[in-house]
Amino acid sequence: GAVVSQHPSRVICKSGTSVKIECRSLDFQATTMFWYRQFPKQSLMLMATSNEGSKATYEQGVEKDKFLINHASLTLSTLTVTSAHPEDSSFYICSAPSMGRVNTEAFFGQGTRLTVV
Amino acid sequence: AQSVTQLGSHVSVSEGALVLLRCNYSSSVPPYLFWYVQYPNQGLQLLLKYTSAATLVKGINGFEAEFKKSETSFHLTKPSAHMSDAAEYFCAVTSDTGRRALTFGSGTRLQVQP
Repeated sequence: GAVVSQHPSRVICKSGTSVKIECRSLDFQATTMFWYRQFPKQSLMLMATSNEGSKATYEQGVEKDKFLINHASLTLSTLTVTSAHPEDSSFYICSAPSMGRVNTEAFFGQGTRLTVV
Repeated sequence: AQSVTQLGSHVSVSEGALVLLRCNYSSSVPPYLFWYVQYPNQGLQLLLKYTSAATLVKGINGFEAEFKKSETSFHLTKPSAHMSDAAEYFCAVTSDTGRRALTFGSGTRLQVQP
């Protein structure tokens, strides 16, 4: 099946610094990717939709200046958490949908555990 | 708009017993429904999916789910639980229209007792 690779899997950073998370589709092209956030013992909440060649679409309540998304190519989307604070500590997961109408499915990265100290 | 409700945040079964995890959905368009499993600090693994073909869907690791439109349900079952089934399970919905992001339920933690 299709593979989405997310890197890094874990990162610890100091308050005020920025962290970049990469999401790559390894064997298919993804014009759209989704970024989710998962707090401990909670479900996944959609943060934003990353669109290749255009601006990302953010969900209500998500600060676009804090969570910068760049979809520079058909296989790579990045999420940068700028000026990170401890409350940004969370599990971030990206996904890319399949393109076929019948076989609609989302392929997920392995997730990134961000800890801000 | 679409939504998913998972009844029961925690389910505990004995090894070898039936597993039943409940999922009800709401969707104004024909839904695509999924069950994912998540182990601690890992991403999501697809168990099975319903995409408007057969209503009884068989997935990996012995799991299956039945799409019941009249009940707007997509419950996940497994005849005999294994210790390795202990994990968090998420039901999710999307459609073939719009942006196709998944909307997830709140999750059900399955415990399997020896």
